[in-house]
Amino acid sequence: AQRVTQPEKLLSVFKGAPVELKCNYSYSGSPELFWYVQYSRQRLQLLLRHISRESIKGFTADLNKGETSFHLKKPFAQEEDSAMYYCALSATSGSRLTFGEGTQLTVNP
Amino acid sequence: NAGVTQTPKFQVLKTGQSMTLQCAQDMNHEYMSWYRQDPGMGLRLIHYSVGAGITDQGEVPNGYNVSRSTTEDFPLRLLSAAPSQTSVYFCASSNSPGARGYTFGSGTRLTVV
Repeated sequence: AQRVTQPEKLLSVFKGAPVELKCNYSYSGSPELFWYVQYSRQRLQLLLRHISRESIKGFTADLNKGETSFHLKKPFAQEEDSAMYYCALSATSGSRLTFGEGTQLTVNP
Repeated sequence: NAGVTQTPKFQVLKTGQSMTLQCAQDMNHEYMSWYRQDPGMGLRLIHYSVGAGITDQGEVPNGYNVSRSTTEDFPLRLLSAAPSQTSVYFCASSNSPGARGYTFGSGTRLTVV
């Protein structure tokens, strides 16, 4: 079975502060990890994926297989980063995407 | 290229009514999925499909049916609506979920009274 846990439902930071959204997973095989973002009442958008190692909108995430984590980081938060963030997992050749509970990030001015 | 299109955007049903949520994609994706989004619970997989004619259950399939007669369409049917099915429903498609994740539609907000 595959499971994703995001321990923080709510996270609030000030503009310009660093932000880290935590994601832990459990999966017996080799996982592919993703972060999705959902701005207010909009569709989910892919923010980044582990496999491509890219940085989108200043966000990065490193897969730590030892700690089974895929935390999302940004060194300087912006007000437009306020949104719901979801961590998701798939098997390498899988067809299902399993989501965490989500973290609502608020960046205060 | 419209991506993933869901209709309707909003719907109010009475308990016991049935309805179909429509989902269509124009990207020739093999994989399609239906999720429901509830506060504090994230997105939970209802049903998914790996190609035309092939469907399977997700985490929360009870009360829902799907079919996949074409690559483009993946409708979700509520057989007898219940208040517990009040939620936001998202359809998604992909050509390689493990590598690319899924592309999502804009959602259907359903209220069952």
